[in-house]
Amino acid sequence: KAGVTQTPRYLIKTRGQQVTLSCSPISGHRSVSWYQQTPGQGLQFLFEYFSETQRNKGNFPGRFSGRQFSNSRSEMNVSTLELGDSALYLCASSRTVSGNTIYFGEGSWLTVV
Amino acid sequence: GIQVEQSPPDLILQEGANSTLRCNFSDSVNNLQWFHQNPWGQLINLFYIPSGTKQNGRLSATTVATERYSLLYISSSQTTDSGVYFCAVELVGGTSYGKLTFGQGTILTVHP
Repeated sequence: KAGVTQTPRYLIKTRGQQVTLSCSPISGHRSVSWYQQTPGQGLQFLFEYFSETQRNKGNFPGRFSGRQFSNSRSEMNVSTLELGDSALYLCASSRTVSGNTIYFGEGSWLTVV
Repeated sequence: GIQVEQSPPDLILQEGANSTLRCNFSDSVNNLQWFHQNPWGQLINLFYIPSGTKQNGRLSATTVATERYSLLYISSSQTTDSGVYFCAVELVGGTSYGKLTFGQGTILTVHP
């Protein structure tokens, strides 16, 4: 069956713009989480959604937001982009929120110039 | 918050050698996974192993939850094993619900 699908794979944005990233989880998975990976900070948790509700949020400013739709697909949005937002954004899905294998997508590479 | 420490940070091997990667964590967990990050950035799930021992081909993993560590064994390494290996844990309950905390990774280079 299909894995976690993220779009777009690569994008370049200008400071001050906003960006929306999309994630389609594995069929049957209801939990979707997002992570940011940078060389300096490593992999950091952004937020987690289950049944369209945000269940947990990482330590990121309010410019980072997300949502989950009734079909479990998720989007994350970053507004007023800063150079430091350049990163690999990874989406993951699992059957339930906790205590299950988590599977990651290929990621979206964001460059802010 | 929970601390996840991986060792060694870097590892260079000749093809055919064996290796052991270690992950220490500071609190009780209900999820521990090992991942291999490929050159394109995707995290490939190797093991879901909050406790016990599992094997998959040349790879095996052991987690001793009571002593808060996990080990990933790679035998007869191949050049395709090169990349970054991450350990990630999810704490039991509280504010860590649904959240994986990652170690800093071990960069493995296997030379032919």
